[in-house]
Amino acid sequence: DAKTTQPPSMDCAEGRAANLPCNHSTISGNEYVYWYRQIHSQGPQYIIHGLKNNETNEMASLIITEDRKSSTLILPHATLRDTAVYYCIVPSGTYKYIFGTGTRLKVLA
Amino acid sequence: ETGVTQSPTHLIKTRGQQVTLRCSSQSGHNTVSWYQQALGQGPQFIFQYYREEENGRGNFPPRFSGLQFPNYSSELNVNALELDDSALYLCASSSLMGGNKETQYFGPGTRLLVL
Repeated sequence: DAKTTQPPSMDCAEGRAANLPCNHSTISGNEYVYWYRQIHSQGPQYIIHGLKNNETNEMASLIITEDRKSSTLILPHATLRDTAVYYCIVPSGTYKYIFGTGTRLKVLA
Repeated sequence: ETGVTQSPTHLIKTRGQQVTLRCSSQSGHNTVSWYQQALGQGPQFIFQYYREEENGRGNFPPRFSGLQFPNYSSELNVNALELDDSALYLCASSSLMGGNKETQYFGPGTRLLVL
């Protein structure tokens, strides 16, 4: 079973920030949180990952709570091209990604 | 830098046949993982190859097998195809060094239809 839970769907207005939550209450101290997205059944696209501290790259920001039991992916200015299924993953062991059902984000014009 | 590539992009087979799917890993990566994604579901881990050996396996029967070659490319073989094997098959490459987790980068996938 996936170590993460996410809301099944969310809507966001174009140009506004999209905040996608993820719960990972059983995460261990040395386990990272990864975020991917999948557009139209293409291969999942890596977005960002983090351990404890907040992270930011050209695509998004990742906010991890101090207890590490949840995180939020932030797309600062969502566009129509950000419409996708977003997956939050805590890898099992050294190799195994267990995907949940993800959050289907729809960006509205 | 070349990304992960997969071939073919689409494939149609009939029940009982065998299929081979191919994956070329991203430059500098030594590890390949394979996933199966049925329609409407998240990808399911099949197995991973590191240094030409299977490095972990998900809940898939033995008729799902793989290979990794010295250049780190990989094949997924499925024997005795069943209708439920119809899915998008994804390959992901990463660089596994010293047991540390590294980001997996996915290819575009091969869509297999079993009739």
